[in-house]
Amino acid sequence: GAVVSQHPSWVICKSGTSVKIECRSLDFQATTMFWYRQFPKQSLMLMATSNEGSKATYEQGVEKDKFLINHASLTLSTLTVTSAHPEDSSFYICSARSQGDSGTDTQYFGPGTRLTVL
Amino acid sequence: SQKIEQNSEALNIQEGKTATLTCNYTNYSPAYLQWYRQDPGRGPVFLLLIRENEKEKRKERLKVTFDTTLKQSLFHITASQPADSATYLCALASNQGGKLIFGQGTELSVKP
Repeated sequence: GAVVSQHPSWVICKSGTSVKIECRSLDFQATTMFWYRQFPKQSLMLMATSNEGSKATYEQGVEKDKFLINHASLTLSTLTVTSAHPEDSSFYICSARSQGDSGTDTQYFGPGTRLTVL
Repeated sequence: SQKIEQNSEALNIQEGKTATLTCNYTNYSPAYLQWYRQDPGRGPVFLLLIRENEKEKRKERLKVTFDTTLKQSLFHITASQPADSATYLCALASNQGGKLIFGQGTELSVKP
């Protein structure tokens, strides 16, 4: 249980184009999903918290107009990188909040999406 | 500001030995501490969660301790295997299922 998928697993695009990444919880419903980015040899940095049916909450320093988040259903959140530039190249990972063992909530992560902007 | 520190140097151990990884934090009082495993090019995989009022948690060959006085968690893998080689991340949360703050991870390499 608690499986999260991401699509695509990797994408290469030209500078100035927009890229959409999907995050799905496959066997549970997630009212809350999170989006992270990770640079090589660095830790995960939270970008935003996505709540189903409401606007996402962005972390300080993350441009909401550049990283559009839509959480339209209890199993799907999307991240759109608009007008992508080479500095947006990174590993983007989503997670979904699920009921874990012993009544605890925890986050289960997707496999990540490698974005390369040329 | 909140800070989480894990051993930045890679940990190399022999198969069968116990691996011990450290997570220290400052300027934070987390209610939950979690450990994840991450393989290259993959997302983190949840391993264990421990609450602030728990001293120790075990799962198969894994053991986590949480000392809120020392502001430290130790993560142990007993009878380590080459398949345990990966980067291990600790993450703190102030509320259940809430925002996670990650350490930079420690790379573990288990040699046969």
